Amino acid sequence: RKEVEQDPGPFNVPEGATVAFNCTYSNSASQSFFWYRQDCRKEPKLLMSVYSSGNEDGRFTAQLNRASQYISLLIRDSKLSDSATYLCVVNSYGGATNKLIFGTGTLLAVQP
Amino acid sequence: GAVVSQHPSRVICKSGTSVKIECRSLDFQATTMFWYRQFPKQSLMLMATSNEGSKATYEQGVEKDKFLINHASLTLSTLTVTSAHPEDSSFYICSASMVGSSYEQYFGPGTRLTVT
Repeated sequence: RKEVEQDPGPFNVPEGATVAFNCTYSNSASQSFFWYRQDCRKEPKLLMSVYSSGNEDGRFTAQLNRASQYISLLIRDSKLSDSATYLCVVNSYGGATNKLIFGTGTLLAVQP
Repeated sequence: GAVVSQHPSRVICKSGTSVKIECRSLDFQATTMFWYRQFPKQSLMLMATSNEGSKATYEQGVEKDKFLINHASLTLSTLTVTSAHPEDSSFYICSASMVGSSYEQYFGPGTRLTVT
């Protein structure tokens, strides 16, 4: 079983739609959780951290359910510029070094 | 702030040659640098973690003699792909973690390696 699992998509949605991505992780000891965005042939960029209380940044809302080991990302009022791959990322403590474990990503295509 | 650069951005080399990729933190000191590899339509896979002044820690399945990592200063790490083969063609991305930061990583723009 992969440490971080995501639905690869693609999610094809019209502009203005609300779309939700889900992610599950296997290591119950994981402490930090993130959503990254990766554009085609570019490096990943941090979109937002995910906290147990849930957090919102503009049109983006992230939720964490530790009991279910489940993370979600909600995008409201989708824009064309939101088209990208969204990576669910979990921090894994490996000895003295923290490691990031990436999911395979969910591809979002927002259509005009 | 927190800018990481990589050089070169793209390289094409012949099978059997070696390629060096540089990763620099431009405006901060990086205790730890990470090297990732990403094949088409796949996620980033951590190859190794390097701490300044010490040997890199390689992930399972990554050959340390093939992927040589040097982290000689707090702002520079290099990855050398030795005796490259076509199957080494991939997108190589580095990231850097600040001194005192527990987990946040800043990513470089990546290097696209094509081995012919």
